[in-house]
Amino acid sequence: DQQVKQNSPSLSVQEGRISILNCDYTNSMFDYFLWYKKYPAEGPTFLISISSIKDKNEDGRFTVFLNKSAKHLSLHIVPSQPGDSAVYFCAAGTGTASKLTFGTGTRLQVTL
Amino acid sequence: SAVISQKPSRDICQRGTSLTIQCQVDSQVTMMFWYRQQPGQSLTLIATANQGSEATYESGFVIDKFPISRPNLTFSTLTVSNMSPEDSSIYLCSVGLAGFQFFGPGTRLTVL
Repeated sequence: DQQVKQNSPSLSVQEGRISILNCDYTNSMFDYFLWYKKYPAEGPTFLISISSIKDKNEDGRFTVFLNKSAKHLSLHIVPSQPGDSAVYFCAAGTGTASKLTFGTGTRLQVTL
Repeated sequence: SAVISQKPSRDICQRGTSLTIQCQVDSQVTMMFWYRQQPGQSLTLIATANQGSEATYESGFVIDKFPISRPNLTFSTLTVSNMSPEDSSIYLCSVGLAGFQFFGPGTRLTVL
């Protein structure tokens, strides 16, 4: 049972445009959500998080939106840069120090 | 944040042998986690390793196959025992710190 789903395995966006990565979850107990970026041959790097008491969190070019009623979150990257090309994982947990459940990842390719 | 190193970074092993992966953190942390990422798949939690207590394994993972040691607050090992080609994966340790999880670079294991 995949509790966290990323239905788009890949996404291609032109440099300077907006990248939107989506994530859906099924477990209503999740109250903490994170996005990680992963380059080949490296471990995942924390990008941005949001708790269920918020519906938006922004950090520079990265914004995460949470729609609790739809059990959906999205990561917006604007403007997209070639260095953003990586695999993006969303993850969910209960409480900030808990184990995490990861989605299957979306490979983002930012083209020139 | 935390600086996490893993040894070895990669290995090729024969079926039926065992490999011990080391994870070293540059600060004392209570919670350490071991994950597996099989080819083309998401990160799956194997177990939570807390210092001074037995590791807690997730469904589908057992201590006989994946014994874990946590001798102090900066170090842990994961052993992959009696390996088969299905164990070919990237194995990652992570630490819980200040409400986030930080990941090591991973160990890429290939079993022939």
